[in-house]
Amino acid sequence: DGGITQSPKYLFRKEGQNVTLSCEQNLNHDAMYWYRQDPGQGLRLIYYSQIVNDFQKGDIAEGYSVSREKKESFPLTVTSAQKNPTAFYLCASSPHRDSGEQYFGPGTRLTVT
Amino acid sequence: AQTVTQSQPEMSVQEAETVTLSCTYDTSESNYYLFWYKQPPSRQMILVIRQEAYKQQNATENRFSVNFQKAAKSFSLKISDSQLGDTAMYFCAFRSGNNNDMRFGAGTRLTVKP
Repeated sequence: DGGITQSPKYLFRKEGQNVTLSCEQNLNHDAMYWYRQDPGQGLRLIYYSQIVNDFQKGDIAEGYSVSREKKESFPLTVTSAQKNPTAFYLCASSPHRDSGEQYFGPGTRLTVT
Repeated sequence: AQTVTQSQPEMSVQEAETVTLSCTYDTSESNYYLFWYKQPPSRQMILVIRQEAYKQQNATENRFSVNFQKAAKSFSLKISDSQLGDTAMYFCAFRSGNNNDMRFGAGTRLTVKP
C-alpha cells in the first residue's frame, strides 16, 4: 500500500540527547514537510524539502536539522539545542511543488524528560 | 504573512444534525488553496475537502461542503447528517499558490453526540 510511515509512534529521550525521527513515503512525492503540533495549537512548519538534497527552514527550525538524501526519506533530528522538544511531530508529502494538498503520516509523539 | 483564524475552539452537535465550522484567513494573494483537515483521536490528519481560490463554485464531498467567500476571506465547513465518526479536531489551512507555505488554524474540536 502507498503511504507515509513514521516510526516509532512513541519516543522517549533524556534531556541533552539528540534524537532522529523517521519519515518514509512510497508515493513518489517530490516535496516533504515536517510539522510540530502542541496542545491547543495548529501545526507549525519546521522544515520542508522540494527535491532531493535541498531543504528550507520553516517558522520554527531552531534546534532541528534535516536531510534529504533520498526522495522517499526525510528524517528529522531534534537536537539538544531545542528548548521544548516534547511535542507531536507530523511528516507530510505532496506530489510536486505546485500541488495543493499535503498527505500526512501517522505522527510521532516525542517526550523528553 | 498569511494567518488563519478559527474562532470556535469547541463545538458540539447532535447526531444527524448539521453543523458549520468557521474559518477566516488573511492574505494579499489572489492565487491560493484552502483546505479542511480532520484529526480524529488517532491523530492521523485526513484531508476532508479542498478549494482553489480561482474557482467560484463551492467544493462538496458527500456530507461535507464549504461556503467560500473570497471577498470576505471566509471559508466555513458545513457537515450535514453528522455522524459519531465525525468527532475530531478540524483544522482549516491556507496554502499559497506561489510556494509551499501552508498555514493552519488552531483548530475546532467537534463532538457529535448520540
